[in-house]
Amino acid sequence: DAKTTQPPSMDCAEGRAANLPCNHSTISGNEYVYWYRQIHSQGPQYIIHGLKNNETNEMASLIITEDRKSSTLILPHATLRDTAVYYCIVRLTGSARQLTFGSGTQLTVLP
Amino acid sequence: NAGVTQTPKFRILKIGQSMTLQCTQDMNHNYMYWYRQDPGMGLKLIYYSVGAGITDKGEVPNGYNVSRSTTEDFPLRLELAAPSQTSVYFCASSYSPESYGYTFGSGTRLTVV
Repeated sequence: DAKTTQPPSMDCAEGRAANLPCNHSTISGNEYVYWYRQIHSQGPQYIIHGLKNNETNEMASLIITEDRKSSTLILPHATLRDTAVYYCIVRLTGSARQLTFGSGTQLTVLP
Repeated sequence: NAGVTQTPKFRILKIGQSMTLQCTQDMNHNYMYWYRQDPGMGLKLIYYSVGAGITDKGEVPNGYNVSRSTTEDFPLRLELAAPSQTSVYFCASSYSPESYGYTFGSGTRLTVV
């Protein structure tokens, strides 16, 4: 599976959009991009995933560049409860073996 | 709908003791996983299962065993506990690894002294 690079930490003001970047320059054509988050001491929570097209659900939007080498997770109106570690994961289609979690980005939403 | 349930939530073991971490899901998911998370680190896959009767090793399987006799249950066994196994253990399940996300349990915090 392709390796991902994320900034170790970011701050965001409450009510503003939080834009979390992820670089996956070695991604291959059949690898999905997944985003999870982990609020302190809890199990990770699935947020969103995509292959090529931009995706949106009730939690967030995922923007994937045309060359698929990077992506951005957007939380449109961040709240204090969005403070968490956010993991960007690239995973091979058909692979049940690995959802490899790196060190992620610690997002702190400030009041 | 309970999702993924892990028991116990906390446990202290002495070196050399054994225990089983329980994991059960009520979503009829075929895929189940065990991860461990050391302080300040990401999650590492211990074992996984693609269905009842089928299990396979992940990244860090040494010192652990699993079984999958039913779709619902995926227990993790520690035979001879060592301090290096002090960690938080998460169980997860998924309907399909490609099209859906994983649902994680709330974790078991294990300390080996």
